[in-house]
Amino acid sequence: GQNIDQPTEMTATEGAIVQINCTYQTSGFNGLFWYQQHAGEAPTFLSYNVLDGLEEKGRFSSFLSRSKGYSYLLLKELQMKDSASYLCAGIMDSNYQLIWGAGTKLIIKP
Amino acid sequence: EAGVTQFPSHSVIEKGQTVTLRCDPISGHDNLYWYRRVMGKEIKFLLHFVKESKQDESGMPNNRFLAERTGGTYSTLKVQPAELEDSGVYFCASSQGDDLGYTFGSGTRLTVV
Repeated sequence: GQNIDQPTEMTATEGAIVQINCTYQTSGFNGLFWYQQHAGEAPTFLSYNVLDGLEEKGRFSSFLSRSKGYSYLLLKELQMKDSASYLCAGIMDSNYQLIWGAGTKLIIKP
Repeated sequence: EAGVTQFPSHSVIEKGQTVTLRCDPISGHDNLYWYRRVMGKEIKFLLHFVKESKQDESGMPNNRFLAERTGGTYSTLKVQPAELEDSGVYFCASSQGDDLGYTFGSGTRLTVV
């Protein structure tokens, strides 16, 4: 079956670095997405990892280990506007369906 | 390029009533997906259209939910009759062909009272 776990809430300080972990127990995944969602808005795409390793994109980086069923999103130089929910989602190889984690609410404090 | 548009943004209805949600995907996107997030839980897949055909509707919770995509353009999701547990945010997303670049709409927040 498919199951994606991520922490419910995290708190970090402006200017700092935070790592949001995502673990999954599944078969048939062909990659992992990270989305950012501000309250009342649509999820917006941050990253997609299909190969093992680290993908860096500005202040945001995402890592995937397929053998370990593990991913993380790394946010550097945190800004207040980074306060949002961060959603981890696996994509099914068979039908491109997204399987979502429950999201991690990130609170940034001054 | 216009994004994915969903209407209405909010809807409050009484139990037993009917509600129809609409999604206008990005023009030219063949794939259209409906997802739902109920309070405190993860976003869950409802169904997937490829053009006007239902590719996968395995996530539809029951037969009170009916989705259509006439002409392969916009899609509607009708809930009839609505129940309290149907409350949540309904998201629509579209993508083009095998492109994994999903674009999500802002969602429709449905409250059944």
